[in-house]
Amino acid sequence: EAQVTQNPRYLITVTGKKLTVTCSQNMNHEYMSWYRQDPGLGLRQIYYSMNVEVTDKGDVPEGYKVSRKEKRNFPLILESPSPNQTSLYFCASSFQGPYSYTQYFGPGTRLTVL
Amino acid sequence: GDSVTQMEGPVTLSEEAFLTINCTYTATGYPSLFWYVQYPGEGLQLLLKATKADDKGSNKGFEATYRKETTSFHLEKGSVQVSDSAVYFCALSEGETSGSRLTFGEGTQLTVNP
Repeated sequence: EAQVTQNPRYLITVTGKKLTVTCSQNMNHEYMSWYRQDPGLGLRQIYYSMNVEVTDKGDVPEGYKVSRKEKRNFPLILESPSPNQTSLYFCASSFQGPYSYTQYFGPGTRLTVL
Repeated sequence: GDSVTQMEGPVTLSEEAFLTINCTYTATGYPSLFWYVQYPGEGLQLLLKATKADDKGSNKGFEATYRKETTSFHLEKGSVQVSDSAVYFCALSEGETSGSRLTFGEGTQLTVNP
């Protein structure tokens, strides 16, 4: 089954404790992206990757890191989480960029930073 | 920069009512326009899209027409069902040469009562 998976689905952590949210797709997509969803703000793009070893900032990259060492994986790293990073996070992938290709979203990771 | 503005929600309708969710956009070029839907507890999925002016996207009884003159992409459905209850997001993506980014509106919560 074609899918985007994220782990964990739920996470409660404390300020400053490094964490990684994993994202994996099995569709051989070149493009992957991370979004955060906050009430009243919709989804905002954090980082995206056009291909292996190619990443770029989205609209809200501060406090986040990403890497793309393999085509299927695109982890999101929070080196020192803060309460304002409490949010619902979505990973997405597509064959190429979203202008021409449908984005497929993962089920989401709900993160709470205390 | 690019932006998308949706009508404020939440929207509550009775089954078989007519639905309109307004969406207007600001973009520098010729974007592709999308409607994504998020059912409770799930990730987003593409509902419909249009890639050039006057195109009409349609799916599952929903329609939206790309109106360049009014920079709008309003979502309509003639007769909603309880199963249409979800959050609807309007989004745009500029051309490939502008990088591959997806800009979302804030989302509109739709509840359909039997």
